[in-house]
Amino acid sequence: GAGVSQSPRYKVAKRGQDVALRCDPISGHVSLFWYQQALGQGPEFLTYFQNEAQLDKSGLPSDRFFAERPEGSVSTLKIQRTQQEDSAVYLCASSLGGPDTQYFGPGTRLTVL
Amino acid sequence: RKEVEQDPGPFNVPEGATVAFNCTYSNSASQSFFWYRQDCRKEPKLLMSVYSSGNEDGRFTAQLNRASQYISLLIRDSKLSDSATYLCVGSAGNKLTFGGGTRVLVKP
Repeated sequence: GAGVSQSPRYKVAKRGQDVALRCDPISGHVSLFWYQQALGQGPEFLTYFQNEAQLDKSGLPSDRFFAERPEGSVSTLKIQRTQQEDSAVYLCASSLGGPDTQYFGPGTRLTVL
Repeated sequence: RKEVEQDPGPFNVPEGATVAFNCTYSNSASQSFFWYRQDCRKEPKLLMSVYSSGNEDGRFTAQLNRASQYISLLIRDSKLSDSATYLCVGSAGNKLTFGGGTRVLVKP
């Protein structure tokens, strides 16, 4: 069956540009998570949705980061005025219920020049 | 100090050998623990959950020690395909907290 998909797979942005990263979770999965993974590090939690409600955004590193899931399915992570330190792989994961048994998408590799 | 800490490795393992490694966690509120496997430039995939009683899945054995706040993973009869980064993960509230990963290289 279809897993979690993310687009684009690769994104190169100039410093100061805005970017939007998309996540399509597994159909029927209530919970959706965004993570940031820097090179050589483990994924770091950014934010969590249950259906369309953003229940936890404690991991978003600054107010330049914004996530939404307006209809409880597809989610978009937006980064405004990108900085070089934003370069990382952004992973999306979904699950049927809570944080256990998450299925990850392939990630979007963002490079900010 | 990170909430979940792992030896980054790499652990160089001869094919067929046994390898074991731990991670430690500092958040006593963590309720569930997992090992994820991540191949180079791929997404993490759940390897197994970890229970206090210990659990085994084929060649893989995981153990949780709540008193000492550490989790272990043991791989028996290592295969070349076991080469990957193994991520130790704790679950508390609504989120997973990942360690930095332990890299394992199985060599012929």
